[in-house]
Amino acid sequence: TQLLEQSPQFLSIQEGENLTVYCNSSSVFSSLQWYRQEPGEGPVLLVTVVTGGEVKKLKRLTFQFGDARKDSSLHITAAQPGDTGLYLCAGVKAAGNKLTFGGGTRVLVKP
Amino acid sequence: GAGVSQSPSNKVTEKGKDVELRCDPISGHTALYWYRQRLGQGLEFLIYFQGNSAPDKSGLPSDRFSAERTGESVSTLTIQRTQQEDSAVYLCASSLGPGWTYEQYFGPGTRLTVT
Repeated sequence: TQLLEQSPQFLSIQEGENLTVYCNSSSVFSSLQWYRQEPGEGPVLLVTVVTGGEVKKLKRLTFQFGDARKDSSLHITAAQPGDTGLYLCAGVKAAGNKLTFGGGTRVLVKP
Repeated sequence: GAGVSQSPSNKVTEKGKDVELRCDPISGHTALYWYRQRLGQGLEFLIYFQGNSAPDKSGLPSDRFSAERTGESVSTLTIQRTQQEDSAVYLCASSLGPGWTYEQYFGPGTRLTVT
C-alpha cells in the first residue's frame, strides 16, 4: 500500500480538454511536490506547495494543497500534446529529508 | 552547466551476478539520493548522502544493496547476487543542500534488467 495514492493511474484525452490528477494520503505532509517525467528521463520538479489550502498556477497548470495537508490536485486546462508524461506527486513529512512518491499518473494528450 | 549523469544507461545481467551503477552529481551539490522505479510505478527511496554525514540507508531493500559516495562527488550503487525482482530503473538525484527546500535534480537513470 502506497503512502501517497494517485488517481487515476492513466488518463487519455484529446488536445484542448481539461484534466485533473489527484494525490491522496491519510498522513499529513509538511510539503508536497509535483513532478513530470518523460520516457527515458528523470522527473523534473514542477511545483512545491507548503501551506494548507495553497493554490499555485504555472501557466495552464493549477496545483492545490488540501487544507489538512493530506492531499493535492493538479489541474491542466486546455491540455496540449506537450503535456504528455508521467505526473508524480511526492511528499515530505515534518522534520524529514526524504521524499515519498505516489505511484504516478500517466497522461496522454492526443492531437 | 552539466546535469546529473548516470552510467551505464542500460545494463542487462544474469541472475546472481553483481552490478555497479554510477552517478555523477551536479558539481557543488552536497546531497545525493538514489531511487528505484519499477515499471509504470513511482519512485522508491533507497539511500541519501549529505556531505560527510553518515548516509541514510533506511530505504535499502536488503543487504545485497549498498552504496558509496566519495566526498561530494561520484556515487556508486552496488547490487550483489542480483535477482529478477531487482529489474527496474535506478535514478540518482542531487541537490544543493538537504531537505525538500532544495530542488532535487534527477539523472536519466540506469535501466537494469536481470535475466
